Amino acid sequence: DAGVIQSPRHEVTEMGQEVTLRCKPISGHDYLFWYRQTMMRGLELLIYFNNNVPIDDSGMPEDRFSAKMPNASFSTLKIQPSEPRDSAVYFCASSLVVGNDYGYTFGSGTRLTVV
Amino acid sequence: RKEVEQDPGPFNVPEGATVAFNCTYSNSASQSFFWYRQDCRKEPKLLMSVYSSGNEDGRFTAQLNRASQYISLLIRDSKLSDSATYLCVVTLSGSARQLTFGSGTQLTVLP
Repeated sequence: DAGVIQSPRHEVTEMGQEVTLRCKPISGHDYLFWYRQTMMRGLELLIYFNNNVPIDDSGMPEDRFSAKMPNASFSTLKIQPSEPRDSAVYFCASSLVVGNDYGYTFGSGTRLTVV
Repeated sequence: RKEVEQDPGPFNVPEGATVAFNCTYSNSASQSFFWYRQDCRKEPKLLMSVYSSGNEDGRFTAQLNRASQYISLLIRDSKLSDSATYLCVVTLSGSARQLTFGSGTQLTVLP
């Protein structure tokens, strides 16, 4: 089991550029989550999908952020245009809920720096 | 008020010490509770679930007090390798499966 795979591991971009973060969940997991972590705000849920359908995007900070899950094995989080305050570590996690066992697994994260 | 509140620490303790972390949550409808561990520059990983009856996993003991909306984690005989940030996590039941994280408590175990 390869776990949740995120790419790239690190991204440095200039303000105003488009950034696309990628995630491959664990095969068979039916939930996918995007989180953002900063020193100031900790881990924040941005959006989550169930069976490829977005369920709750209330955590997406603004219209510059968008997320898609075109199939069960791939999701993207896009920021356009990027701003310095978007600098953070972005984690993708997938989950298969069986009873009260949430089976959550996080990817290694993408460390984004916007200069 | 934050949904999940933790003492940020840092806690600096000598090897072999016993250390306790506390956490409170605001939503009385919260149904599931966890402690996660996050090493520096790594992703969070599940340490243990927290059950109403309390549960133990080796040197780690977790307790839940629903009436007080309070969760605790006790680490006995702490090791250098226990140094990490410990995140208190709660989730609601029903269709909402997302985890809500506390800001974490940083632990450093000193030789």
